Amino acid sequence: NAGVTQTPKFRVLKTGQSMTLLCAQDMNHEYMYWYRQDPGMGLRLIHYSVGEGTTAKGEVPDGYNVSRLKKQNFLLGLESAAPSQTSVYFCASSWEGDVRLAGGSNFGPGTRLTVL
Amino acid sequence: SQQGEEDPQALSIQEGENATMNCSYKTSINNLQWYRQNSGRGLVHLILIRSNEREKHSGRLRVTLDTSKKSSSLLITASRAADTASYFCATDRSGGYNKLIFGAGTRLAVHP
Repeated sequence: NAGVTQTPKFRVLKTGQSMTLLCAQDMNHEYMYWYRQDPGMGLRLIHYSVGEGTTAKGEVPDGYNVSRLKKQNFLLGLESAAPSQTSVYFCASSWEGDVRLAGGSNFGPGTRLTVL
Repeated sequence: SQQGEEDPQALSIQEGENATMNCSYKTSINNLQWYRQNSGRGLVHLILIRSNEREKHSGRLRVTLDTSKKSSSLLITASRAADTASYFCATDRSGGYNKLIFGAGTRLAVHP
């Protein structure tokens, strides 16, 4: 199993450009998440999904949109990139039994995004 | 806003020593989790402790939770150079959806 994969690994954008980050998981997990990590800080939740076709806002949703058309994929979109969105983006997934069985989220390797 | 604050921000020890990291949080929680992040990599789940638990062990890891003080600690015994990483506590208030709020982390360096 590949676990959680993210595409691309690195990207440089100019202010105002748009892009989509792709997250895929092969563990049949119901829940998926997008976090961002800025230097010296912990991760902050951007958006999350509790099932195919559902999305919800997290802690820092402004400037981002998401879609979950297929259970295994969770897309994060930046419609008009800003320098403040320079960050490392992590996707994660978990299943509804994880917390009950004292497990946690599975994280992807991250996408390093720079907005000039 | 960050739910958790970790202390110390950085910790440097020798192999074989124990490492203790502390985490404080602000609001009531369902559970608290600890994650490890190696440089440039994704996070790896280490351990979860529920709000009604006080202590939990997993291998060389020992986690405590004091809900009255809104604090937790992670103890790594007999540290190894391979334990060098950043460690994050994360709290879950979502009642099963695993929506996590992370602290800023502790950078641990274990020297051979």
